[in-house]
Amino acid sequence: GENVEQHPSTLSVQEGDSAVIKCTYSDSASNYFPWYKQELGKGPQLIIDIRSNVGEKKDQRIAVTLNKTAKHFSLHITETQPEDSAVYFCAASTAAGNKLTFGGGTRVLVKP
Amino acid sequence: DVKVTQSSRYLVKRTGEKVFLECVQDMDHENMFWYRQDPGLGLRLIYFSYDVKMKEKGDIPEGYSVSREKKERFSLILESASTNQTSMYLCASSFSQTEQFFGPGTRLTVL
Repeated sequence: GENVEQHPSTLSVQEGDSAVIKCTYSDSASNYFPWYKQELGKGPQLIIDIRSNVGEKKDQRIAVTLNKTAKHFSLHITETQPEDSAVYFCAASTAAGNKLTFGGGTRVLVKP
Repeated sequence: DVKVTQSSRYLVKRTGEKVFLECVQDMDHENMFWYRQDPGLGLRLIYFSYDVKMKEKGDIPEGYSVSREKKERFSLILESASTNQTSMYLCASSFSQTEQFFGPGTRLTVL
């Protein structure tokens, strides 16, 4: 089955700096890659996703890149703010199914 | 406003007890999921359901069962709770290969 690895497990950045989280996946059939943000005491919430026919997608301060050949994808947060502090999860899924395989999560701390 | 609700935020049970975790969604989604979340391990899929009365095992189904009698409700059952089932349990729902909407989670402690 699919295996998704996520790095780093913790990330501390100064407010205004950029944060980058990287994930690799094992199943070359995977074609949908969402990113979720989980704030304290809440369930994860989708912040951005990308499909395999696209190499990059941006939404304001958040961007995701996908390298299908290398089977890795990354989340980039620019101009970080204290409210970006949370746990972030990457995930992957194939067209054949509805289930997601999640990475282990990255705890991001933005220091004011 | 879309909503996935879970029956309890915190639950404490004793070893050997039968435990029911309930999840209800109001979005008419066909897919529903149960995950457990443990530090460093991310979210691991226990079971999912793509239709009423249909279920499929996820990656860690041992010690769990599920029930989906109505489209909006998906229950997770621990037949005989054990201490290694102490965890955060998250329910989610979705349409096919689209955004999964999560509930707030149930933190279960088994003593």
